[in-house]
Amino acid sequence: GNSVTQMEGPVTLSEEAFLTINCTYTATGYPSLFWYVQYPGEGLQLLLKATKADDKGSNKGFEATYRKETTSFHLEKGSVQVSDSAVYFCALSGRNDYKLSFGAGTTVTVRA
Amino acid sequence: DTGVSQDPRHKITKRGQNVTFRCDPISEHNRLYWYRQTLGQGPEFLTYFQNEAQLEKSRLLSDRFSAERPKGSFSTLEIQRTEQGDSAMYLCASSPRTDRNEKLFFGSGTQLSVL
Repeated sequence: GNSVTQMEGPVTLSEEAFLTINCTYTATGYPSLFWYVQYPGEGLQLLLKATKADDKGSNKGFEATYRKETTSFHLEKGSVQVSDSAVYFCALSGRNDYKLSFGAGTTVTVRA
Repeated sequence: DTGVSQDPRHKITKRGQNVTFRCDPISEHNRLYWYRQTLGQGPEFLTYFQNEAQLEKSRLLSDRFSAERPKGSFSTLEIQRTEQGDSAMYLCASSPRTDRNEKLFFGSGTQLSVL
């Protein structure tokens, strides 16, 4: 079945540091890949997505590239802010699937 | 767009009792999903609806769980004879179309504690 493995946290960074959260997946065919974010006290919301190999999703300074050869979708941001403190979830939907399979989440804390 | 609304926000119950949660999706969203999330884990899929039809149920959804979406609008999730292992955050999400790449809009969840 489909599954997602993401880097364990928690991750603590200083403001303006570089952030990487690793995500790898197992799926048959060509899944769509997503990063969702949950800010403190709020519901999950889509951060970015990529629907085919070599696509790059980007939003709010975050980027992730769909790498089929390494089955990965790592999330990166060049300069984090305190407001980026949140839990980040990698997720996928299978080719003939309408539900999301999520990773365990990575808690990121950015200190001023 | 008022967002996905879930009620109640918190529910504390004793083992063996029945509980029911409600989800109001964003208006005119065709798809509605239920997920369960335990501490330190990502959301796990439970079931989803296309309008009023329940199209898929996870193996996680035992016979004690039942979900409905009458008239294709709000949905309810009922857990009968609750067990301590049912303690979790129950999330509802909706999406406007059938495209698998369409993003989901999540509610804030119902936190269930079974004592």
